[in-house]
Amino acid sequence: AQSVTQLDSHVSVSEGTPVLLRCNYSSSYSPSLFWYVQHPNKGLQLLLKYTSAATLVKGINGFEAEFKKSETSFHLTKPSAHMSDAAEYFCVVGGGVNTNAGKSTFGDGTTLTVKP
Amino acid sequence: EAGVVQSPRYKIIEKKQPVAFWCNPISGHNTLYWYRQNLGQGPELLIRYENEEAVDDSQLPKDRFSAERLKGVDSTLKIQPAELGDSAVYLCASSLEPQAGGAYEQYFGPGTRLTVT
Repeated sequence: AQSVTQLDSHVSVSEGTPVLLRCNYSSSYSPSLFWYVQHPNKGLQLLLKYTSAATLVKGINGFEAEFKKSETSFHLTKPSAHMSDAAEYFCVVGGGVNTNAGKSTFGDGTTLTVKP
Repeated sequence: EAGVVQSPRYKIIEKKQPVAFWCNPISGHNTLYWYRQNLGQGPELLIRYENEEAVDDSQLPKDRFSAERLKGVDSTLKIQPAELGDSAVYLCASSLEPQAGGAYEQYFGPGTRLTVT
């Protein structure tokens, strides 16, 4: 069984300040973890993924996430927010080694607002 | 490279009417997914195909929903009859076959926004 909890439904930051979107997961095995972004009226786009290699993962647009097994967390960060970062962000837990690798579970999303 | 194509983008129907959604995945992607996304929530998997085989349809309401993926490429999702609660965005995604390490990434289409009145 697997599940994912995004701890904040809404996050608001000022342009140029750091972004932190929090995600905790639960999994019976070593999972794959992903962050997707969804801009209004657009499809979901992959930001980054963790697949049991380096625990600090770098993604597109300056985002990165750190896998912390002891905390079962995979928080998304960015040093300096840009107006174009305003969107909905989804944390996803997927299958791992020797599991049903195709199964994935989405969190409920975090809406990021960036103020000028 | 063309992305995942879905049609129609928007559909408004009356309850009890049938409706169908079409998806064309990225060329070479063996795995195809249909999700339903309700307002303010994350996508929920309805069905997953590997080639022509539906390998996970546990969340598909089979009394009114059906899906097919003939020839392992395009897919159609149907609702008959539609209910008010079916109003949502229906997303199609595709990916390469899951790797041994469990790593895969899904590529999403723009979705079909269904409104049932």
